[in-house]
Amino acid sequence: GAGVSQTPSNKVTEKGKYVELRCDPISGHTALYWYRQSLGQGPEFLIYFQGTGAADDSGLPNDRFFAVRPEGSVSTLKIQRTERGDSAVYLCASSVDRGPGEQFFGPGTRLTVL
Amino acid sequence: AQSVSQHNHHVILSEAASLELGCNYSYGGTVNLFWYVQYPGQHLQLLLKYFSGDPLVKGIKGFEAEFIKSKFSFNLRKPSVQWSDTAEYFCAVNAGTSGTYKYIFGTGTRLKVLA
Repeated sequence: GAGVSQTPSNKVTEKGKYVELRCDPISGHTALYWYRQSLGQGPEFLIYFQGTGAADDSGLPNDRFFAVRPEGSVSTLKIQRTERGDSAVYLCASSVDRGPGEQFFGPGTRLTVL
Repeated sequence: AQSVSQHNHHVILSEAASLELGCNYSYGGTVNLFWYVQYPGQHLQLLLKYFSGDPLVKGIKGFEAEFIKSKFSFNLRKPSVQWSDTAEYFCAVNAGTSGTYKYIFGTGTRLKVLA
């Protein structure tokens, strides 16, 4: 079946611009996670959705970052006033429901802020 | 705060050599443990996981890992590596029985297997 998909695969933007990154989780998965992976590092947690609500946004680095999941499926990560330090691969993962089980990862969006 | 340490950042082996990648975590409560692999150009995929029970867990492609609670370790092993095992390997933990189950990842180990 279809896995987690993310669009775009690459995004190049200029400092100060606004970007949106999209995640399509596996159908039926209620839990959705966003992570950020900087060069040479492991993925770092940003935000977790259970259904439509952001159950844990403790990983968002500052108020320039925001994410939504209005219908409990597709999620969009939004970054305002991008900075060069935001350059990273943004990963989305989904899992069947709330619980410790396996998270299925998408291919990521590589964001480059010039 | 939870943390995960992977001490080997880069490992180079010849085919048929044995592999052991270290993973240590810091967390006071019950944890679930995972190893993920990322092959070149591909997304992260699960190799194996430990929730409870037998501390020796077997995963895909001949990999196994042993949970040693007293050492806060979950090392990954494979008795004989293949060229196709060239990839980056990540250890991850999440809280055992409650919360968001967000992953805490290590920094990863890049494995290169020489044919």
